[in-house]
Amino acid sequence: GAVVSQHPSWVICKSGTSVKIECRSLDFQATTMFWYRQFPKQSLMLMATSNEGSKATYEQGVEKDKFLINHASLTLSTLTVTSAHPEDSSFYICSASPPAGLTDTQYFGPGTRLTVL
Amino acid sequence: AQRVTQPEKLLSVFKGAPVELKCNYSYSGSPELFWYVQYSRQRLQLLLRHISRESIKGFTADLNKGETSFHLKKPFAQEEDSAMYYCALSSRDKIIFGKGTRLHILP
Repeated sequence: GAVVSQHPSWVICKSGTSVKIECRSLDFQATTMFWYRQFPKQSLMLMATSNEGSKATYEQGVEKDKFLINHASLTLSTLTVTSAHPEDSSFYICSASPPAGLTDTQYFGPGTRLTVL
Repeated sequence: AQRVTQPEKLLSVFKGAPVELKCNYSYSGSPELFWYVQYSRQRLQLLLRHISRESIKGFTADLNKGETSFHLKKPFAQEEDSAMYYCALSSRDKIIFGKGTRLHILP
């Protein structure tokens, strides 16, 4: 089956630094990738939709200058949390859709836990 | 507004008893609805979708447009069913998730 990986699985950083999270589709090409944020014991909140070769579409309330998304290839999307602060600490999850799939055919990564000190 | 509501945060059910996880939605148009499951320390995965009308791991879900519901059911709970369950709705090019219900199967 389709596999999506994320790297790193967890990261701890100092306040004010930037952190990059990678999302890769390992055995399929992903035209579209999605980035979610999940707070403890809460649901997934869609942050942005990332389309290969074009700008990401951000959800309302998500700062595009703070959460930089790059989808440079059909197998890789990156999320960079710039000038991270403790309130950015969360679990970040990506998912990917193959080109021929429907919206529902999303394969999820294992998530990245970010802790900002 | 498009919205998915799961009224129960936690549902505890004895092994062998029937399970029903509630989901209601708000959507203008013909919705596509799904149930996702997340087992402990595993990634989120699709359990079933309403268009398939399938039964996965003994679970079924019927879309009731009149009641705008998509409840997940299983006649006899098993211990391995303990997990976090998310109801979701496909809207244009994205999926909207409910807040999730944690299902705890009691021995």
